Amino acid sequence: GAGVSQSPRYKVAKRGQDVALRCDPISGHVSLFWYQQALGQGPEFLTYFQNEAQLDKSGLPSDRFFAERPEGSVSTLKIQRTQQEDSAVYLCASSPSTGWATNEKLFFGSGTQLSVL
Amino acid sequence: ELKVEQNPLFLSMQEGKNYTIYCNYSTTSDRLYWYRQDPGKSLESLFVLLSNGAVKQEGRLMASLDTKARLSTLHITAAVHDLSATYFCAPKGDSSYKLIFGSGTRLLVRP
Repeated sequence: GAGVSQSPRYKVAKRGQDVALRCDPISGHVSLFWYQQALGQGPEFLTYFQNEAQLDKSGLPSDRFFAERPEGSVSTLKIQRTQQEDSAVYLCASSPSTGWATNEKLFFGSGTQLSVL
Repeated sequence: ELKVEQNPLFLSMQEGKNYTIYCNYSTTSDRLYWYRQDPGKSLESLFVLLSNGAVKQEGRLMASLDTKARLSTLHITAAVHDLSATYFCAPKGDSSYKLIFGSGTRLLVRP
């Protein structure tokens, strides 16, 4: 597609409910990142995929958070037993390669705004 | 671990005025990005700065990088209302693949 696509755009969940957030990166992009952005804050790194391999999940806040990218394209971020503190915008970003070529940059999606009641 | 500090966090300025946003980071970085975010929107890449002394300009915005001081600046010249947004700096640490974002500077340009 033309850009990084995320769905749903908004998600309201009751506390304790499981949610799944989807990211369609730009076609052919090797690297995929998930970031969490709390209200009024900068994005915080959650996890990184290189193709289907999850190379870094150090930013995932707890074992309730799980991400996958089984075929190296679409990625899903799953949050189990959601808590109020999980309320945030979840941003997905992709880039063409792994080596950060000159002038290479991350392309961000519009995000999924998650509200846990 | 790379830490990023931006200041000011909030800036209200009149149209036509100049101002500078500062971005300090704690460890060596091999590149630094500036992003813009409008309310409810995603992040738009403005500049990538790759080396010490690098300067990039686009319209009324100019970004610079001093790797020795671990400092980047975003200078706004003759501000206009359309520049109202939140601006983030994001360095990438050496031997790392992830960008670390500052808290952002929320810019409001008043008529």
